[in-house]
Amino acid sequence: KNEVEQSPQNLTAQEGEFITINCSYSVGISALHWLQQHPGGGIVSLFMLSSGKKKHGRLIATINIQEKHSSLHITASHPRDSAVYICAVLMDSNYQLIWGAGTKLIIKP
Amino acid sequence: DTAVSQTPKYLVTQMGNDKSIKCEQNLGHDTMYWYKQDSKKFLKIMFSYNNKELIINETVPNRFSPKSPDKAHLNLHINSLELGDSAVYFCASSQDLGTEAFFGQGTRLTVV
Repeated sequence: KNEVEQSPQNLTAQEGEFITINCSYSVGISALHWLQQHPGGGIVSLFMLSSGKKKHGRLIATINIQEKHSSLHITASHPRDSAVYICAVLMDSNYQLIWGAGTKLIIKP
Repeated sequence: DTAVSQTPKYLVTQMGNDKSIKCEQNLGHDTMYWYKQDSKKFLKIMFSYNNKELIINETVPNRFSPKSPDKAHLNLHINSLELGDSAVYFCASSQDLGTEAFFGQGTRLTVV
C-alpha cells in the first residue's frame, strides 16, 4: 500500500462541474502539498496545508489531520483546468516529500 | 521572471556520456532539491541542499553528483549515462525544509 493514495485516478467532467479530488495518507506529516502538472510537464505548486482550509480563486483545499485526509475542490471547472493534480506529503520525520500517483482531470467544453 | 529555471529543457545524449543539468532560483530560498520522475509519474527525491550543504541524499548511483556553487544554484551532473537514466528531472526550491516548494519546468533526459 502506498503511503499516499489519491482518488480518483482519472476524472472526466463537463465544463462548469464541481470537482473533488481526494488524498489519503498513512504517515505522520508536517504539511501536505497540492500540485498541478500540465501536459507539457511543468509542475506548479497550488497549496501547502498543515491544517484547515485554503482558497485561491476557484480552487479550495482542505485537510483533516486526524483523519489523514485532504481534498482539492475546483468550482466552475474549465477546460484549462485539465491537468494532472498531485498530492504530496512532507514527512515530519525526515522532510521527504512523498508523492501520490496523481489524478488526471479532463474538463470537456 | 521565472522563479525556478532549469536548462536545458530537453537533452538527448548517448550512453556513456557525461552531462549536466543546471538549476537556478531567484526566490532567495535556502533549500533546493532534485527530483526524478519515473515512468509511472512518481517523483522521487534525489538530493536536497540547504544553505549549500547536502542534507538528504537518497540512494542514487554515485554517477549522479549535485553541485551547488551558491544557494541560488543547484546543478546536477551525471557521469557515464545509462539507458535507465532516461526520465524527467525536476529542480525545486523552498524557503526552508518543510515549506512550500516551487518547481522548475523539468528536463527531459533521453539516453540513446
